[in-house]
Amino acid sequence: VQLVQSGGGVVQAGRSLRLSCSASGINFNDYLLHWVRQTPGKGLDWLALLSYDESSRSVKDSVIGRFTISWDNFKNTLYLQMNSLEVDDTALYFCAGSRQGAPFDNWGQGTLVTVSS
Amino acid sequence: SYVLTQAPSVSVAPGETASISCVRNNIESEIVHWYQQQPGQAPVLVIFNNNDRPSGIPARFSGSSFDNTATLTISRVEAGDEADYYCQVWDFNRDYWVFGGGTKLTVL
Repeated sequence: VQLVQSGGGVVQAGRSLRLSCSASGINFNDYLLHWVRQTPGKGLDWLALLSYDESSRSVKDSVIGRFTISWDNFKNTLYLQMNSLEVDDTALYFCAGSRQGAPFDNWGQGTLVTVSS
Repeated sequence: SYVLTQAPSVSVAPGETASISCVRNNIESEIVHWYQQQPGQAPVLVIFNNNDRPSGIPARFSGSSFDNTATLTISRVEAGDEADYYCQVWDFNRDYWVFGGGTKLTVL
């Protein structure tokens, strides 16, 4: 199982950015993909989850309306569309995978997002 | 809101036992998972379902839960165990995953 991330970078506050997480080697049945972020020197903050068929979806209240999680079946890629970015969104963003109701057994390498004022 | 409280840091000498706690009211009724994160790396699952170990995780790592506290115990601590450790629980009310604030384990 491999999760390879791309799409981070430096962006001005108020702008948008899309993160990608390419998944391979996964049996997508009964599998969920997640986005988790980690602000510099701080802890882990779960943001959202999605199943490959989109039947399971959950997004943390604090980012609803700004962040959208989606999945491309043809590319086997998970996305996090982040709009109206704020300085406080500056963080290392991870994608991760798990079976339904299970902890995260696979993680991407992380991608850094820096939001400047 | 659903909060898991962890002490910011724990220090232990090599060969000793480290206990890392995760506190929430009646946490013994929840299923708790634990992750280890080395600097600059993604987290790694070390304990799932309160006290099960994934393959490849040494038996020195164990978990338990009683009343309001879940505990990750690392026996015969080694220098390589120095890392941040996070507990994790599923919040059924909001369909969220919740992480504790993390504990930095320092091996003296």
